[in-house]
Amino acid sequence: QVQLQQSGPGLVKPSQTLSLTCAVSGDSVSSNSAAWNWIRQSPSRGLEWLGRTYYRSKWYNDYAVSVRSRITINPDTSKNHFSLQLNSVTPEDTAVYYCARKVGGAFDIWGQGTVVTVSS
Amino acid sequence: DIVMTQSPDSLAVSLGERATINCKSSQSVLYSSNNRDYLAWYQQKPGQPPKLLIYWASTRESGVPDRFSGSGSGTDFTLTISSLQAEDVAVYYCQQYYSTPPTFGQGTKLEIK
Repeated sequence: QVQLQQSGPGLVKPSQTLSLTCAVSGDSVSSNSAAWNWIRQSPSRGLEWLGRTYYRSKWYNDYAVSVRSRITINPDTSKNHFSLQLNSVTPEDTAVYYCARKVGGAFDIWGQGTVVTVSS
Repeated sequence: DIVMTQSPDSLAVSLGERATINCKSSQSVLYSSNNRDYLAWYQQKPGQPPKLLIYWASTRESGVPDRFSGSGSGTDFTLTISSLQAEDVAVYYCQQYYSTPPTFGQGTKLEIK
């Protein structure tokens, strides 16, 4: 079955870059029917979609307006994973970060979540 | 962005009784060309990611018990648990995927009375 396995540090200093990776098994990041997303959850913001990458004969990305100037989501087809980079983090970026697959409509497969704290 | 508003924020129901959670979108999520509502429901238990229960407003995800059902269209939707079980204690979220960005409701916490 399809599984998403997240990895990355749980503590990031203010002004630095948050980097997480989501390894995909049982599907391909190059799938023509899936989109690969990052979503975060915090008490103040609830569940917040951050962005996605997907392949439809070429690669596309969409990002939330709130983080558009600071975010990059990249696929890595050789490792069958995709990554999140969020630059210039502040304590407001403290949250649980999830990767998730979207096929057709809803987010059907989620990673286990990574608690990320922004603190010096 | 489409704003999703759930009611109530919390709910306590006796075991075996019906639980009903409502979700309202700030604009219609019904796509007229295919007559589908772009609305999903998720269940989240502590320390776990959200789990997809319902998509297209009323289609149950594989493996989800049939006591869970979704209804509604346009801007008003309902998640019903027909006979509450102890394992249904969780927070429930609705989410629209009609437009980008996809957006979630604030959540409804369901407890046992």
